[in-house]
Amino acid sequence: TAGITQAPTSQILAAGRSMTLRCTQDMRHNAMYWYRQDLGLGLRLIHYSNTAGTTGKGEVPDGYSVSRANTDDFPLTLASAVPSQTSVYFCASSEDARDTQYFGPGTRLTVL
Amino acid sequence: GQNIDQPTEMTATEGAIVQINCTYQTSGFNGLFWYQQHAGEAPTFLSYNVLDGLEEKGRFSSFLSRSKGYSYLLLKELQMKDSASYLCAVTDSNYQLIWGAGTKLIIKP
Repeated sequence: TAGITQAPTSQILAAGRSMTLRCTQDMRHNAMYWYRQDLGLGLRLIHYSNTAGTTGKGEVPDGYSVSRANTDDFPLTLASAVPSQTSVYFCASSEDARDTQYFGPGTRLTVL
Repeated sequence: GQNIDQPTEMTATEGAIVQINCTYQTSGFNGLFWYQQHAGEAPTFLSYNVLDGLEEKGRFSSFLSRSKGYSYLLLKELQMKDSASYLCAVTDSNYQLIWGAGTKLIIKP
């Protein structure tokens, strides 16, 4: 079982460009999450989805958008990247919103 | 506001025991998680406490006191592979996870 996959593994992006980070899970989990992790800070929730067709804003949603068209996929889009969005991005999923979260391998994004 | 505190870094010796503390102040409490994260990798689930007391799982144990807003992760018989960051996270009243910044554990031979 693959679990959760993320693509790309890493990316260098020019400021002002758009980009979509992909996340796919094969565990049929209802809930999915996007976090960013910066040095010295805890994981910060960007957006979440408790079930297919619904999404919600986390702690740091500005500059990011998500969609949840089906159970397996939860892409994160940066419409116009800025250097402060340089970070490691983790996608996670859980069976339901209250359950243990399992993480993908992460995407390292650098915005120049 | 919501806050989770953990020591930034700890050092221990191979074969020894180490205790990593976590204190929290959150709006509501619906459970506490510990995750392990090796450098450059994703966090992986270690333990979950929702009731007071000690949960033991092999070399790792996790303790919770809800009245004190306090938890610790106890690692016994330390091995070099235990060198990692340990993340404490609390589920608040909205069932969202609030994360501590993590404790980097360095194991010396």
